[in-house]
Amino acid sequence: LAKTTQPISMDSYEGQEVNITCSHNNIATNDYITWYQQFPSQGPRFIIQGYKTKVTNEVASLFIPADRKSSTLSLPRVSLSDTAVYYCLVGALDTGRRALTFGSGTRLQVQP
Amino acid sequence: EPEVTQTPSHQVTQMGQEVILRCVPISNHLYFYWYRQILGQKVEFLVSFYNNEISEKSEIFDDQFSVERPDGSNFTLKIRSTKLEDSAMYFCASRGEAGYTEAFFGQGTRLTVV
Repeated sequence: LAKTTQPISMDSYEGQEVNITCSHNNIATNDYITWYQQFPSQGPRFIIQGYKTKVTNEVASLFIPADRKSSTLSLPRVSLSDTAVYYCLVGALDTGRRALTFGSGTRLQVQP
Repeated sequence: EPEVTQTPSHQVTQMGQEVILRCVPISNHLYFYWYRQILGQKVEFLVSFYNNEISEKSEIFDDQFSVERPDGSNFTLKIRSTKLEDSAMYFCASRGEAGYTEAFFGQGTRLTVV
């Protein structure tokens, strides 16, 4: 399994754009990149997923360079409610038998 | 939006007792998982389950743990003889058909072993 490295914590202010970068140097050809969000005492929640280039949904954007050795989660105009832990996961594009492996995540603190 | 439901939300048990944590995955999902999270630590994988059998398990999932899908809707995690170190949040998750990779997590059961 590809190991991921993320910053332990980040601070931001309301209304700012936040970019969280994840390093995954050993990503395999059939691996995809997924980001989850977790609030205290709640289960992780899927944010976005991608394989290459850029993916955007109503919540975030995911930028993946051509070498796929890193990825950046971009949260536009964060609010206080975006304070959470964000996990970058790398997993194979296979059946659901393989479990997702969580790293330590990035604790984002949004200030007013 | 479909959701994974876990019961109970909080369970307190005495050391050495058996506990069963229950989960109702999203209907028509085929892949099921249990994770745990000790307070302040990362989410740890325990076991994955597909087609009525364990697909993968971690070193945490020893002989004290077992999983079952008894009736086609519930998915349970049993801890036979709880230890203090089993105190954690336990999360159930499910995923859809092959190739559909988003996992939906329940809200968790907080297990406290005293």
